[in-house]
Amino acid sequence: QVQLVESGGGVVQPGRSLRLSCAASGFTFSSYGMHWARQAPGKGLEWVAVIWYDGSNKYYADSVRGRFTVSRDNSKNTLYLQMDSLRVEDTAAYYCARGVWIADYWGQGTLVTVSS
Amino acid sequence: QSALTQPPSASGSPGQSVTISCTGTSSDVGGYNYVSWYQQHPGKVPKLIIYEVNKRPSGVPDRFSGSKSGNTASLTVSGLQAEDEADYYCSSSAGSNNLGVFGGGTKLTVL
Repeated sequence: QVQLVESGGGVVQPGRSLRLSCAASGFTFSSYGMHWARQAPGKGLEWVAVIWYDGSNKYYADSVRGRFTVSRDNSKNTLYLQMDSLRVEDTAAYYCARGVWIADYWGQGTLVTVSS
Repeated sequence: QSALTQPPSASGSPGQSVTISCTGTSSDVGGYNYVSWYQQHPGKVPKLIIYEVNKRPSGVPDRFSGSKSGNTASLTVSGLQAEDEADYYCSSSAGSNNLGVFGGGTKLTVL
């Protein structure tokens, strides 16, 4: 069965960095584009970044462009989100999701708290 | 990357039907047939319930249906049940060179 397991969240001070990982299993990871999405406490969903199946294309939300970098290692079936220059407003649950135009499977999420 | 517009709330009694709208522009909802709907219960992970405007993933009851007219997509829940009470989010492609966009979400209450 398809499984997506995020890790790497935690509490970090503003301006610092954090790297999230998403370990995929149960499907051919290298055949699927992948998303990162986030949800601030009590707020709605926001797409953060998407990466094509082969890493050839990457797109970002305006709110994170230039600070966040999405990448993948198809040999390790793992998706990454490098988050630099973190801001208080980046505080959210971060989810990885399978697919580009259709996010059909989601991980359980990892919580990122940016606070001084 | 402007968010799609959804009503903040909707409600209906058990057995009734309710429709939630999702309004975008010709650059997203109106321009592509990649509209999806997600259901999220409190404290849970979003679940895909409609994709490509009107298709249901395996296991999603046929009480859930989707449609689109111009720049507005709609989710209809027929025969409302208590377990349908949740937040619903629409999402649309905004072109192959862009990230998709979500709606602000609609809280569905079953009275």
